[in-house]
Amino acid sequence: EVQLLESGGGLVQPGGSLRLSCGGSGFTFSSYGMTWVRQAPGKGLEWLSGISGRGSGSTPRYADSVKGRFAVSRDNSKNTLYLQMDSLRVEDTAIYYCVKDWGGSGSHDAFDFWGQGTTVTVSS
Amino acid sequence: QSVLPQPPSASGTPGQRVTISCSGSSPNIGTNPVNWYQQLPGTAPKLLIYSNFQRPSGVPDRFSGSKSGTSASLAISGLQSDDEADYYCSTWDDSLNGYVFGTGTKVTVL
Repeated sequence: EVQLLESGGGLVQPGGSLRLSCGGSGFTFSSYGMTWVRQAPGKGLEWLSGISGRGSGSTPRYADSVKGRFAVSRDNSKNTLYLQMDSLRVEDTAIYYCVKDWGGSGSHDAFDFWGQGTTVTVSS
Repeated sequence: QSVLPQPPSASGTPGQRVTISCSGSSPNIGTNPVNWYQQLPGTAPKLLIYSNFQRPSGVPDRFSGSKSGTSASLAISGLQSDDEADYYCSTWDDSLNGYVFGTGTKVTVL
């Protein structure tokens, strides 16, 4: 059974940093692209970033809203996906979902499994 | 990041058919396959339809997807109370080099 477990969310002040982690199990982690999606309170889904299965050797992709502030990475030896979030803003407050891609490329695929999400609150 | 317009709400009585539209443009829906996600209240989204009309294992055939040109649709037939949820379309956008989601449609069973 595929499982994705996010951690690292919490309360942070504007301008602060946070690192989210997502542990994957039940599938060959290194074979699949992984994605971060967020959902602000009462709002819709927003794609943030994607990374291919191999990680290194391909350029991660970012939404304009987080480009230059967020960085995605993965450690296939630990079956873990990360999202480093810097220069956080109030508008980054959301539930952050770790998502498994259908394929390995990190683009163009459907998202076939979602974690339960971790909540990030940016407030002074 | 661009979003794909969807009607904010749709409703029907049990057993009825409901259709949700998703409007796009050439770089996104016009070029790439569309996926649909169902988000039940208080839960994470779940893949409902992929590659325009394909259903993952376990998704009832009451749910069907279609695409024509730069628009896509999700149909729910035989509406059930369990279908009350938010539904989102999504696809890759070649111009933005990223994914885009629809604005979401809340389905209510009357």
